Amino acid sequence: GNSVTQMEGPVTLSEEAFLTINCTYTATGYPSLFWYVQYPGEGLQLLLKATKADDKGSNKGFEATYRKETTSFHLEKGSVQVSDSAVYFCALSDRTDSNYQLIWGAGTKLIIKP
Amino acid sequence: EAQVTQNPRYLITVTGKKLTVTCSQNMNHEYMSWYRQDPGLGLRQIYYSMNVEVTDKGDVPEGYKVSRKEKRNFPLILESPSPNQTSLYFCASSLSLAGGIEQFFGPGTRLTVL
Repeated sequence: GNSVTQMEGPVTLSEEAFLTINCTYTATGYPSLFWYVQYPGEGLQLLLKATKADDKGSNKGFEATYRKETTSFHLEKGSVQVSDSAVYFCALSDRTDSNYQLIWGAGTKLIIKP
Repeated sequence: EAQVTQNPRYLITVTGKKLTVTCSQNMNHEYMSWYRQDPGLGLRQIYYSMNVEVTDKGDVPEGYKVSRKEKRNFPLILESPSPNQTSLYFCASSLSLAGGIEQFFGPGTRLTVL
């Protein structure tokens, strides 16, 4: 079945460091891929998405490229800020026999130290 | 303002006392769902609804009920809460699950069952 695997956290970095949060997936069809972010005390919000292979999603300095050959959608940012501290969720949406299915990764907590 | 609202935001109750968490969206979305978020387990879907009067079980439906009598509202009902239902609950909505459509989340309800 479909699944999403994220690197375990917490990930702790210093301000201005380079960030990578790994996400790999298994899917039977051609899924859409998402990164959502949850800031402390808030609900999740969409950070970026990609709907087909080789698409690159980007927002707020974050980027992720849909790699079908490696079934990956790794989140990257060149220079993180303290305000990026949050929990990041990778997710996929895939069509099943009768409907669409939304699958979530476990989330990765990111801590940025000044 | 387009939004998903949940009430209450915080609730402390006792075992066996029926409660309802309300969820409402003002975006005319067809798809709505409930999740619970527990440390180390990420988001787990409780129930979802593809449209009015159409609901289905998610991954962890035991101990919960839902109804969808109107498009905008999707209440979560705990008929007899137990301590293992202590969690952070999120309601979400979207136009559909197809082709990279964004999910919109409420701010969350933190429930403690004593």
